[in-house]
Amino acid sequence: DQQVKQNSPSLSVQEGRISILNCDYTNSMFDYFLWYKKYPAEGPTFLISISSIKDKNEDGRFTVFLNKSAKHLSLHIVPSQPGDSAVYFCAASNSGAGSYQLTFGKGTKLSVIP
Amino acid sequence: DSGVTQTPKHLITATGQRVTLRCSPRSGDLSVYWYQQSLDQGLQFLIQYYNGEERAKGNILERFSAQQFPDLHSELNLSSLELGDSALYFCASSVAGSTYNEQFFGPGTRLTVL
Repeated sequence: DQQVKQNSPSLSVQEGRISILNCDYTNSMFDYFLWYKKYPAEGPTFLISISSIKDKNEDGRFTVFLNKSAKHLSLHIVPSQPGDSAVYFCAASNSGAGSYQLTFGKGTKLSVIP
Repeated sequence: DSGVTQTPKHLITATGQRVTLRCSPRSGDLSVYWYQQSLDQGLQFLIQYYNGEERAKGNILERFSAQQFPDLHSELNLSSLELGDSALYFCASSVAGSTYNEQFFGPGTRLTVL
């Protein structure tokens, strides 16, 4: 049973436009959410995170929105750049479990077209 | 560079064999996590160690085991290998007790079982 779902395997966006990547989760115990970016032949790189006590977190061109009632989060990239082309993974953890293990979605491959 | 190192980068072996993957966490990080990424799958949590002790177990097969040594490096041992064990294996580390539990990933070890 997938607890974190990224329903879009791929997304193509024109350079300069907004990229919106979506993620849904089913486990209501998750209270911390992260986005990772992954290039081929490299490990995932931490991008941005959000705690369940917030509904928005910004870091430069990246903004993550959390809708707890809908169990949905999204990552907005504005403006999109060709270097943003990568696979983006949504991840969640339950800090109350004590282990902080991350549960990942299967990823969305973002292609930013120049 | 995340500061997490993994060796070897690539490993090719035969079914029934045993291999050891090695991970050195970032300086100061006490927690080490192991993840497996199979084809078309997201990262699956295998096991976590904290300061030498096992903290949490995920979907880790009985044929797999891990340990964390006093110098905090970790090894993942995979035995009686099967074709289906072919995957990318990532190690991640994090600062213990961090409110925001970003995990920093190594570049991974690609295991091919023939």
